[in-house]
Amino acid sequence: NAGVMQNPRHLVRRRGQEARLRCSPMKGHSHVYWYRQLPEEGLKFMVYLQKENIIDESGMPKERFSAEFPKEGPSILRIQQVVRGDSAAYFCASSPIHGFGKNIQYFGAGTRLSVL
Amino acid sequence: KQEVTQIPAALSVPEGENLVLNCSFTDSAIYNLQWFRQDPGKGLTSLLLIQSSQREQTSGRLNASLDKSSGRSTLYIAASQPGDSATYLCAVSYTGANSKLTFGKGITLSVRP
Repeated sequence: NAGVMQNPRHLVRRRGQEARLRCSPMKGHSHVYWYRQLPEEGLKFMVYLQKENIIDESGMPKERFSAEFPKEGPSILRIQQVVRGDSAAYFCASSPIHGFGKNIQYFGAGTRLSVL
Repeated sequence: KQEVTQIPAALSVPEGENLVLNCSFTDSAIYNLQWFRQDPGKGLTSLLLIQSSQREQTSGRLNASLDKSSGRSTLYIAASQPGDSATYLCAVSYTGANSKLTFGKGITLSVRP
């Protein structure tokens, strides 16, 4: 059973370009979470999705950022018109549909975004 | 505001030492607490998860305790080894079985041979 897969592992964009980060959850998991880790900062929650639904986006910046988790395919975190402050490691985590009392989130290796 | 604090930010110990990593949280109404390990440039590995109704969890040389009333958790590492060198993150969940995690900034541990 493959773990949470994120790609690309490293992404370089120039200011103003778009960044698309992909996350394939573990097999059988239907809950996906995105977190951002800025340099010298802890991980911060961004968004929580289930298939075709955004459940909690309280951590998403109001502009330029969007996320989706379609019925088929990976979850996508999209950043439009990137700025240098978007440079960070973006982590995706997934958890199983029956998270009874566990809520163990399994993390991917992350995508490191560098904005030039 | 729900905050998780880990102090100190870094720790260096000689190999073989038993050590304790601390985590504190401001809101005691947690659902569960997890300890993670993060190696440089890598993702997070879950080490231990403690439900709010539990006092401790053990896995090998690791033992995590939880004191909800005082808003504290500790991760005890017995007989530390150089391979334990990593950043240890504490994270709490507040609102149920599937919810966001609130992380501390982590403690970077270096175990000297």
